[in-house]
Amino acid sequence: DGGITQSPKYLFRKEGQNVTLSCEQNLNHDAMYWYRQDPGQGLRLIYYSQIVNDFQKGDIAEGYSVSREKKESFPLTVTSAQKNPTAFYLCASSLLAGEVLNEQFFGPGTRLTVL
Amino acid sequence: QREVEQDPGPLSVPEGAIVSLNCTYSNSAFQYFMWYRQYSRKGPELLMYTYSSGNKEDGRFTAQVDKSSKYISLFIRDSQPSDSATYLCAMSGDSGNTPLVFGKGTRLSVIA
Repeated sequence: DGGITQSPKYLFRKEGQNVTLSCEQNLNHDAMYWYRQDPGQGLRLIYYSQIVNDFQKGDIAEGYSVSREKKESFPLTVTSAQKNPTAFYLCASSLLAGEVLNEQFFGPGTRLTVL
Repeated sequence: QREVEQDPGPLSVPEGAIVSLNCTYSNSAFQYFMWYRQYSRKGPELLMYTYSSGNKEDGRFTAQVDKSSKYISLFIRDSQPSDSATYLCAMSGDSGNTPLVFGKGTRLSVIA
């Protein structure tokens, strides 16, 4: 059963703590992405990776870090430097194929609440 | 100014109505135009896409792109309560290697 999994679905942390969100895909996709979604803000790109051991900052990378040690995994760490970490976090993946549609498949999301 | 503008709504319509959702954009390099549907507390899923200008129809859904006006639309005919969701437009250039640029999403409620 192919797809993207994110865990946990809900996450609570105290202010000042780092927290890591998991994202795994078994679609054999090359690229993976992390987005943050806030009410009325749409999807904002945090980081993306097109190949193992390489990643690029998106529009709102400050306060976040990622790694891509395996093709199927792209964990996101929300650090204490992120000023407003409470949000809905979405992971996506896509099969890079040059000049064709970059269809992204999304996971179910993780809702992070910082208390 | 954002690259992609989309009215966040909310938009509330009676069952059976025709719904029109729209986005405008500023980057003339965009060639792929997508509509994602997102149900509450779920990840978005691709609903339709078009390449360059023109129309595309899929059942009750029609996507239109007017590149001269930098304006895209999604029409939903005979809307159903199950269509209640947030609809996000997304765009990219010709290369599959560039990240998508998303609109803010329009929240739609279809009332039975």
